[in-house]
Amino acid sequence: EVQLVQSGVEVKKPGESLKISCQGSGYRISNYWIGWVRQMPGKGLEWMGMVYSANSDTRYSPSFQGQVTISVDKSISTAYLQWSSLKASDTAMYYCARSHLTGPDAFDIWGQGTMVIVSS
Amino acid sequence: SSELTQDPAVSVALGQTVRITCQGDSLRTYYTIWYQQKPGQAPVLVIYGKNNRPSGIPDRFSGSSSGNTASLTITGAQAEDEADYYCNSRDSDGDHRVFGGGTKLTVL
Repeated sequence: EVQLVQSGVEVKKPGESLKISCQGSGYRISNYWIGWVRQMPGKGLEWMGMVYSANSDTRYSPSFQGQVTISVDKSISTAYLQWSSLKASDTAMYYCARSHLTGPDAFDIWGQGTMVIVSS
Repeated sequence: SSELTQDPAVSVALGQTVRITCQGDSLRTYYTIWYQQKPGQAPVLVIYGKNNRPSGIPDRFSGSSSGNTASLTITGAQAEDEADYYCNSRDSDGDHRVFGGGTKLTVL
């Protein structure tokens, strides 16, 4: 079964760093892009960026450029999303998703989401 | 603010047809992707490319586009179609992906 499994709930304080993960299984990760999507409580989906697993080519949405770092370790089929200094406004559900075979426009396999809570 | 605009809410009677729209300049150039999201769940891809459905998506879902407006049509809406629907495409520069604000579909 093709699936993405994300790391668990995180509760952090403002200013702390964080790295969450998204591990793929059941397919060859090198052939696909992995995207990250933010959903703040009660709000819509926001595209953050994506990384190509084969060569780590990374694209960021302008809104998230410089705010987060997206990376991938293809040897363990795992993509990452990290923050160096969290803010309360980073509180949200974060989803990873795998690109469709046709290319990095549609994303057909989604992780279950990682809830990040940032509170003092 | 999103470069893709959706109506916040739409309702449809059970078994009737509903169209959910998405407007944006980039839609004149790029395909629109549609996702369905039910409460507490991850999004699900329902339409991609010109009008393609992933396996497992019922054929009552279809996509179309004209000018700067893309549409997701559900022909014969079912109770289980009640969800939030998001359009997604590239931005005006074509370099990045953007979502619409989402449409909450209520099946009456």
